[in-house]
Amino acid sequence: EDKVVQSPLSLVVHEGDTVTLNCSYEVTNFRSLLWYKQEKKAPTFLFMLTSSGIEKKSGRLSSILDKKELFSILNITATQTGDSAVYLCAVGAGGTSYGKLTFGQGTILTVHP
Amino acid sequence: DTEVTQTPKHLVMGMTNKKSLKCEQHMGHRAMYWYKQKAKKPPELMFVYSYEKLSINESVPSRFSPECPNSSLLNLHLHALQPEDSALYLCASSSGVGYNEQFFGPGTRLTVL
Repeated sequence: EDKVVQSPLSLVVHEGDTVTLNCSYEVTNFRSLLWYKQEKKAPTFLFMLTSSGIEKKSGRLSSILDKKELFSILNITATQTGDSAVYLCAVGAGGTSYGKLTFGQGTILTVHP
Repeated sequence: DTEVTQTPKHLVMGMTNKKSLKCEQHMGHRAMYWYKQKAKKPPELMFVYSYEKLSINESVPSRFSPECPNSSLLNLHLHALQPEDSALYLCASSSGVGYNEQFFGPGTRLTVL
């Protein structure tokens, strides 16, 4: 069975801190790893990673994938209170699971002023 | 238009009612998804439609009945639900089943009395 594990489960920091969120996976027929940010409602897409060692960046957020060690990290620098959310990692597979995303349990990030 | 819309935003129904959730996208996406999300849990896949055909049913009880009338619309028909079915129901779409980058709608918060 496909498995995605995120750590830590929750994190409390102050504005300006840098945080690193972790995601490890065991998935048959791996295709891609995705990061989402979920505040009140819908998860919003952040990054999709398919190749090992290539960093993706968007403003203060960046992410990288290690397909050999089966994990990804999401970095947020100079955190702001607006970064407070649940960060979800999801893995997309092929084969009989083609089209299916398996989500990790999420990391709850709280940024205090 | 890069948005997935869902109606209604909130729904309260009794166990004997029949209701429907609606999802719409105008991004030309050919794959659409239904997820169920309980509080403090990640989204769980229910159904996947690819080119208007059901491609994945994650062993969902028959009281949930999906329908894809055309490539832009996805419905979820509800009948004889149980209180434990109360959850946030999320719709998502992607360019195709092989494109794991899924875009989520805001969800319908369902309460079953």
